[in-house]
Amino acid sequence: GIQVEQSPPDLILQEGANSTLRCNFSDSVNNLQWFHQNPWGQLINLFYIPSGTKQNGRLSATTVATERYSLLYISSSQTTDSGVYFCAVGRVVQFYFGTGTSLTVIP
Amino acid sequence: DAGVTQSPTHLIKTRGQQVTLRCSPKSGHDTVSWYQQALGQGPQFIFQYYEEEERQRGNFPDRFSGHQFPNYSSELNVNALLLGDSALYLCASSSNSPLHFGNGTRLTVT
Repeated sequence: GIQVEQSPPDLILQEGANSTLRCNFSDSVNNLQWFHQNPWGQLINLFYIPSGTKQNGRLSATTVATERYSLLYISSSQTTDSGVYFCAVGRVVQFYFGTGTSLTVIP
Repeated sequence: DAGVTQSPTHLIKTRGQQVTLRCSPKSGHDTVSWYQQALGQGPQFIFQYYEEEERQRGNFPDRFSGHQFPNYSSELNVNALLLGDSALYLCASSSNSPLHFGNGTRLTVT
């Protein structure tokens, strides 16, 4: 299978700070998604980004497929951004998830 | 437009019992995948159903089985439950598109 490594594993931020989360993967993929899992377990789509750059409000993501990594940027963080961020990669059917980055935003 | 719905939300079972979890995909989606998420881990792929057939299976024993119905909804069955089957079970739907997840079923095996 495809190995997915996410860093950092844990992150604590003051409200208003910016952060960058990284996802490295071990093989070429056709699909890459970033998810936010809230404390109730809901996995919320953030980006579908197999390549290139996308932005959605305070969040943006960049995937460099040829170098097998993706970055998720969170700007002006808010307490509601707390939770676990997962990167998931795949080719056709199966998605492989990393172990996530646990983000805590302190007021 | 309803998203992916799963039932039940929580379930408590005893070792050795059998359980059935249900999933209705997002409108317009024809493919359903099931994932198991243990505490502190990322979700792991169990299998995917498309056109009522199991298209691909992850590294899970035959105790895990599934079904997809003509309306694209799906069931996950787990037989002979073990304590280690305690987890959040997530259903995702898609249609040549990104995965959309339901809220999950939290299964506790005692």
